[in-house]
Amino acid sequence: DAKTTQPNSMESNEEEPVHLPCNHSTISGTDYIHWYRQLPSQGPEYVIHGLTSNVNNRMASLAIAEDRKSSTLILHRATLRDAAVYYCILLTQGGSEKLVFGKGTKLTVNP
Amino acid sequence: KAGVTQTPRYLIKTRGQQVTLSCSPISGHRSVSWYQQTPGQGLQFLFEYFSETQRNKGNFPGRFSGRQFSNSRSEMNVSTLELGDSALYLCASSLRGQSGNSPLHFGNGTRLTVT
Repeated sequence: DAKTTQPNSMESNEEEPVHLPCNHSTISGTDYIHWYRQLPSQGPEYVIHGLTSNVNNRMASLAIAEDRKSSTLILHRATLRDAAVYYCILLTQGGSEKLVFGKGTKLTVNP
Repeated sequence: KAGVTQTPRYLIKTRGQQVTLSCSPISGHRSVSWYQQTPGQGLQFLFEYFSETQRNKGNFPGRFSGRQFSNSRSEMNVSTLELGDSALYLCASSLRGQSGNSPLHFGNGTRLTVT
């Protein structure tokens, strides 16, 4: 079973911020939180990852709760190209594991 | 820097046949992992290779196998194909394997159709 839970779908308007939530209540101290997105007919694309502190990159920001049981991927200004399925997964430092992806969140961006 | 390359992009096979898919990782990446993606089951982990050794295997039958070469390129093989093997097969490479601080870089997959 996936270690993370996400809403099945979310909708946003173009140029507005989007907050995609992810719950990972059983996260361990060595688990990194990773986000990927998948556009139709493509493989998943790395977006961002973090351990404890909030992270920013050119694509998005990752806000991690203080207890690390949840996180939020923030797209600051959604564009039509951001419409995709977003996956939140946990990767363990130093571990090789049977990585489990959940169903992800399908983001629809309205013009 | 070239991304992860998977060949072929599309493949049509008949039940009972076997198939070999290829994955060339990003230069310098030593880990390659494979996934099966279907509409019903989503992304499912097949196996991971690191420096030519299989480090982990998902819950798939023995018909699914793989290997990694000394240049980190990887192949996966499915023997005695079944209709249910129709799927998008994805590979991902990473610098240090599925290991926390190392992002996964996916290819665009091989779409296998079994008739």
